[in-house]
Amino acid sequence: QVQLVESGGGVVQPGRSLRLSCAASGFTFSSHGIHWVRQAPGKGLEWVAVIWYDERNKYYADSVKGRFTISRDTSKNTVYLQMDRLIPEDTAVYYCARDLYSTGWYCDNWGQGTRVTVSP
Amino acid sequence: DIQLTQSPSFLSASVGDRVTITCRASQGIGNSLAWYQQKPGKAPNLLIYDASTLQSGVPSRFSGSGSGTEFTLAISSLQPEDFATYYCQQLHSYRLTFGGGTKVEIK
Repeated sequence: QVQLVESGGGVVQPGRSLRLSCAASGFTFSSHGIHWVRQAPGKGLEWVAVIWYDERNKYYADSVKGRFTISRDTSKNTVYLQMDRLIPEDTAVYYCARDLYSTGWYCDNWGQGTRVTVSP
Repeated sequence: DIQLTQSPSFLSASVGDRVTITCRASQGIGNSLAWYQQKPGKAPNLLIYDASTLQSGVPSRFSGSGSGTEFTLAISSLQPEDFATYYCQQLHSYRLTFGGGTKVEIK
């Protein structure tokens, strides 16, 4: 069965960096886009970034563009989210999600999430 | 950027009720819209995509309709496990946007 497992969350000071990982299994990893979606405490869902099946096409929300970088390693079936220059507004549970298709349309399978807290 | 506005933001209903949730887009998006259900402490679950296509494994009491700027999620007969928060989501210019959510609670 499709499984996505996030890791790498934690507490970090503003201005510092953190790298999240999303380990995928149970499907053909190279055939699907992968998204990161976050949810601040008590708030709704906010899309963060997507990387297409081809590793070349990457798109970001305006709120993270220039600070976050998404990448994928097909040899490890893993997607990463490098988060630099973190700010308190980045505090959230971060979910990775598989796209229904090879690019980026809809999130049909989700991980359990990893919590990121940005605090002095 | 395209904005998605859900209404109502909160809904109180009883088991067996028919429930509808509306999602309005700030400009036309064709049928590129999905609906998700999220329960407390859990990841979202895809219910509907392409505005009206039921995701595999989702009960048939859920249905979606609409195109352009106005979309609806309907639950024909609310079940105890349906009390949750529902989000719409659209794709435009390769970026996704979620609506603000509708919380469905037990009356």
